[in-house]
Amino acid sequence: ETGVTQTPRHLVMGMTNKKSLKCEQHLGHNAMYWYKQSAKKPLELMFVYSLEERVENNSVPSRFSPECPNSSHLFLHLHTLQPEDSALYLCASSQDVGAEQYFGPGTRLTVT
Amino acid sequence: GEDVEQSLFLSVREGDSSVINCTYTDSSSTYLYWYKQEPGAGLQLLTYIFSNMDMKQDQRLTVLLNKKDKHLSLRIADTQTGDSAIYFCAESIDSNYQLIWGAGTKLIIKP
Repeated sequence: ETGVTQTPRHLVMGMTNKKSLKCEQHLGHNAMYWYKQSAKKPLELMFVYSLEERVENNSVPSRFSPECPNSSHLFLHLHTLQPEDSALYLCASSQDVGAEQYFGPGTRLTVT
Repeated sequence: GEDVEQSLFLSVREGDSSVINCTYTDSSSTYLYWYKQEPGAGLQLLTYIFSNMDMKQDQRLTVLLNKKDKHLSLRIADTQTGDSAIYFCAESIDSNYQLIWGAGTKLIIKP
């Protein structure tokens, strides 16, 4: 148990659906991250938040929309996804940006 | 550009030592990390080494860093079935808070 939880653990959605992924950290950290993990590829950093301010957006398509209402919660809103967006989406947090990251278990997303 | 490379698979017999290798290209790395990912679980930080160190030992784990060759390795002594996982190498770079990740090495344990 790393102190970072993600829900749901599995999600199947159609290309016209709208869904949200949720991440919560119980570690008192100031920074939170969204990563995309595809098979046999390096992790891709999608978004970074520090004290609820977005500090990084790595050319992620607009069909992915992050939200950080407070330093403990991070959401990833999904709409009109493509099948190639199917992947494991990992959330992480760290004390501050650049510090050691603690990961959640991920949400396995399948887009049909 | 920045790049971290690992072999995709490693197969070892139970009880043997496993050595997982990683090469990186950016010489300004500050920390190098090994993360473990078990099936259905998130990434767990196993160990890390500061770039001015050559070696770090932690129980069954030994990390070796050859900064000249930009080569990092993770040795797991007396490999057990519970060590089956994907092992990711990552580096942090002084000027950038992002981690640069390898694609992961899947460790397969044979009985």
